[in-house]
Amino acid sequence: GAGVSQTPSNKVTEKGKYVELRCDPISGHTALYWYRQSLGQGPEFLIYFQGTGAADDSGLPNDRFFAVRPEGSVSTLKIQRTERGDSAVYLCASSLETATEQYFGPGTRLTVT
Amino acid sequence: SQQGEEDPQALSIQEGENATMNCSYKTSINNLQWYRQNSGRGLVHLILIRSNEREKHSGRLRVTLDTSKKSSSLLITASRAADTASYFCATVKTGANNLFFGTGTRLTVIP
Repeated sequence: GAGVSQTPSNKVTEKGKYVELRCDPISGHTALYWYRQSLGQGPEFLIYFQGTGAADDSGLPNDRFFAVRPEGSVSTLKIQRTERGDSAVYLCASSLETATEQYFGPGTRLTVT
Repeated sequence: SQQGEEDPQALSIQEGENATMNCSYKTSINNLQWYRQNSGRGLVHLILIRSNEREKHSGRLRVTLDTSKKSSSLLITASRAADTASYFCATVKTGANNLFFGTGTRLTVIP
């Protein structure tokens, strides 16, 4: 079956602009996660959804970052007033149950110029 | 923030040799998982070991877990050029649901 998909694969934006990154999880997976990975580092947790609700958003770096999952499937990560330090690969993952193996999408490479 | 660290940071071996990577973490865990990543994208789950397990096998992979030392190791036997990738350990802390990743080991298998 289809895996986790993310769009766009690459996004270049100017400092100060608003961006939206989309994640389409594996069908039937109720848990959805966003991570951010900088070059040479492991992924860092941003936010976790169980169904439609954000069960844990403790990893969001500041209030410029926000994510939604209105129907319990597709999720959108929104970044306002982007900064050059936001440049990274943003990874989405889903899982059938919590605290089990996660299935990752290919990521969106965000570059803020 | 990162949960732990992998050791070594980079490893280069000949095809057919075994590769061992170690991971240390800091808190009590529900389980520990290993992932592989090629070309900086596309993390793939390899194996999960629960906190009450000490060893687990999957094909050419062997994982051990020592909760008293807060450490794990991943052994890849009879390595192949296709095993070239970055390997990350990731923990699910007790009471949490998300993964906390280590810093990764870059493995190069020379044909």
